[in-house]
Amino acid sequence: KAGVTQTPRYLIKTRGQQVTLSCSPISGHRSVSWYQQTPGQGLQFLFEYFSETQRNKGNFPGRFSGRQFSNSRSEMNVSTLELGDSALYLCASSSRGTRETQYFGPGTRLLVL
Amino acid sequence: GENVEQHPSTLSVQEGDSAVIKCTYSDSASNYFPWYKQELGKRPQLIIDIRSNVGEKKDQRIAVTLNKTAKHFSLHITETQPEDSAVYFCAASIGVFAGGYNKLIFGAGTRLAVHP
Repeated sequence: KAGVTQTPRYLIKTRGQQVTLSCSPISGHRSVSWYQQTPGQGLQFLFEYFSETQRNKGNFPGRFSGRQFSNSRSEMNVSTLELGDSALYLCASSSRGTRETQYFGPGTRLLVL
Repeated sequence: GENVEQHPSTLSVQEGDSAVIKCTYSDSASNYFPWYKQELGKRPQLIIDIRSNVGEKKDQRIAVTLNKTAKHFSLHITETQPEDSAVYFCAASIGVFAGGYNKLIFGAGTRLAVHP
């Protein structure tokens, strides 16, 4: 099976802009979780989607949002970008949720200038 | 609260030695504890996991132990090799519903360096 893919891999934006990141899970996986990874904060949970429904959300401001489509592909959006949003954004998929093995994508590295 | 503490933050060992990384979690409802290895510039990859109904699990040179009473779990790597050098993350899955409505809370990571 093909692994988890994320697009784009690299992105440079300026403060105030918005960005949309995409994640395609492993075929047959219905759960997609998003994480923000920074050197200072490690891996932080953003949200999890299952069958187009957000089931869990981390402690991030409302500028961070996401959605999942009927084919399980997921997008996350960050509006009004701030310098502190610079990070590696990872998505992970699993068959049923975060109690199962999570398979990570390669990540999207976002730089906000 | 939802918190996973991981120690040490850095660990340096000689090839062939053992390495131990410890994590504690705060939510007694946590029921799944995976460990991920992340090499430089690569994605995290699962190396071993343990569920709350098991006290220990081993896979070749890697083992994980869980103490539910004390709410801590540990990763043990024996006969370390230079290719074990990476950042290791522990995580705890907090269960809300039996149907799998969990979220993974990660520790801050341990940078392991294995010197030849």
